[in-house]
Amino acid sequence: KAGVTQTPRYLIKTRGQQVTLSCSPISGHRSVSWYQQTPGQGLQFLFEYFSETQRNKGNFPGRFSGRQFSNSRSEMNVSTLELGDSALYLCASSLQASGNTIYFGEGSWLTVV
Amino acid sequence: KQEVTQIPAALSVPEGENLVLNCSFTDSAIYNLQWFRQDPGKGLTSLLLIQSSQREQTSGRLNASLDKSSGRSTLYIAASQPGDSATYLCAVNREGNTPLVFGKGTRLSVIA
Repeated sequence: KAGVTQTPRYLIKTRGQQVTLSCSPISGHRSVSWYQQTPGQGLQFLFEYFSETQRNKGNFPGRFSGRQFSNSRSEMNVSTLELGDSALYLCASSLQASGNTIYFGEGSWLTVV
Repeated sequence: KQEVTQIPAALSVPEGENLVLNCSFTDSAIYNLQWFRQDPGKGLTSLLLIQSSQREQTSGRLNASLDKSSGRSTLYIAASQPGDSATYLCAVNREGNTPLVFGKGTRLSVIA
């Protein structure tokens, strides 16, 4: 079956712009999580959605937001981009609970110039 | 606050060698621990998941152990191959659908 799909794979934005990243989870998976990965900080949790509700939120400013649709697809948005937002943004899905294996997509590489 | 540490940060070994990667966590009240592999520029691939009630899990040449009381896990790779070269990350979470907390990984190079 198809894995976690993230689009776009690569994008370049200018400071002050906004960006929307998309994630399609594995079919049947209801939990979608987003992580930011940078060389200095490693993988940091952004937020998790389950059945269209934000279930957990990491320690990121309000410029970072997300949502989940009824088909479990998820989007994250970053407004007023800063240079420090340049990172690999990873989406992951799992069946429902924390005891399940989590599956990651290939990520979206965001460069802010 | 849970902190996950992986030592060493980088490791280079000759092909065929058996090796151990280490992961430690500060809060032993974990629900499960997962080991992942990440190839350059790619996403993470789940290798093994160990629930808190388990002591180890095995998949092929990989064996992961968990000692919850001491806050440690090891990933043992037998007969390493150049294709094993990647960054290996461990992550833990608490019960109650909490997010994973990741270590910064060990970058493994297996030299042919």
